[in-house]
Amino acid sequence: AQRVTQPEKLLSVFKGAPVELKCNYSYSGSPELFWYVQYSRQRLQLLLRHISRESIKGFTADLNKGETSFHLKKPFAQEEDSAMYYCAPLQQGGKLIFGQGTELSVKP
Amino acid sequence: DVKVTQSSRYLVKRTGEKVFLECVQDMDHENMFWYRQDPGLGLRLIYFSYDVKMKEKGDIPEGYSVSREKKERFSLILESASTNQTSMYLCASSFNAGRRKKTNEKLLFGSGTQLSVL
Repeated sequence: AQRVTQPEKLLSVFKGAPVELKCNYSYSGSPELFWYVQYSRQRLQLLLRHISRESIKGFTADLNKGETSFHLKKPFAQEEDSAMYYCAPLQQGGKLIFGQGTELSVKP
Repeated sequence: DVKVTQSSRYLVKRTGEKVFLECVQDMDHENMFWYRQDPGLGLRLIYFSYDVKMKEKGDIPEGYSVSREKKERFSLILESASTNQTSMYLCASSFNAGRRKKTNEKLLFGSGTQLSVL
């Protein structure tokens, strides 16, 4: 069975510090991976997908097939980045499975 | 503004009651999903549907059923609610990438229904 692991339940950093949210997956074949984010009192929404190779709100994520990882990174965290982050690999048939989530807290 | 709408934001029910959670999307999406969200467990897929009258079990279907009579509406049913079904329920929808010959589109989520079973 395909699995996704986010090892940190809570990550707390100070404003301006670098941040890395870890995601490891087990998947056969070429995975398609996403990061979703849920800000306080808002809907869960797509942050970025690896296939787009984009940077959204300063965040990037690189797929490392050798390490089967898809860590989310930002060089300088902002207070407004505080949220719940979910890593989600796509399963065959178009359904997403989600990791346990990491709560990011950026302190002033 | 396109959206996924869940009929109730908060719901309180008693053990043994039959509970209906409704979800409607206005984007002509083929795929619809029901997840439950619990602290420390993330989102877990209950059921999903690729088309009208079609349904597939997710990872935790026990105690739940679904109905998709119309393309825009996907209902989650708790036949006999239990306290361990107290949770935040999220509905989502997306295009069927294969049918439309596109890369997989993002899931759009509803705002959630917080269900408490007493």
